[in-house]
Amino acid sequence: GAGVSQSPSNKVTEKGKDVELRCDPISGHTALYWYRQRLGQGLEFLIYFQGNSAPDKSGLPSDRFSAERTGESVSTLTIQRTQQEDSAVYLCASREAVEQFFGPGTRLTVL
Amino acid sequence: LAKTTQPISMDSYEGQEVNITCSHNNIATNDYITWYQQFPSQGPRFIIQGYKTKVTNEVASLFIPADRKSSTLSLPRVSLSDTAVYYCLVGDLASYGQNFVFGPGTRLSVLP
Repeated sequence: GAGVSQSPSNKVTEKGKDVELRCDPISGHTALYWYRQRLGQGLEFLIYFQGNSAPDKSGLPSDRFSAERTGESVSTLTIQRTQQEDSAVYLCASREAVEQFFGPGTRLTVL
Repeated sequence: LAKTTQPISMDSYEGQEVNITCSHNNIATNDYITWYQQFPSQGPRFIIQGYKTKVTNEVASLFIPADRKSSTLSLPRVSLSDTAVYYCLVGDLASYGQNFVFGPGTRLSVLP
């Protein structure tokens, strides 16, 4: 069956540009997470969506980061005015019960 | 929010049993313990979850003592393909958001 998909798989951008990352969760999963993983490090929680409830944005590192999700479908993570420190793999996961299912991630490189 | 502590890295040889212990001294009554595995260039994947005593599946076993302040992931007879980072998470399944927080994990290297 279809898992979590993310696009693009790789994104190279210049410092100061905006980028938009996309996550397609598993159909029917009400919970969706975004994480950031820098090279050789653990996962850093960014934001969490649960159904139509207000998202938990407590992990967003700055106001340059924002995310949206329409209902229980696609989510987009937007990073404005990218900085070199934003370079990382951005992972999306969806969850229905106890298990988070992760996508392959988007590798963002800011030059 | 229960914080977890794991060894940063471990080495093992093929065919050995590997035990990775996670400390979570301030685990709450409603918290479950979940372990994930992450291979390079992939997202983490669920291995096992438990609340108390012992849980076993086709991949691993999870041992949780009565006080639940720690847990041990046991991988029987590891192979080279078990080389990965293993994350211990503690959280309340009824709550959301940062209740499922990934720490730095344990980097397991299986040697031939």
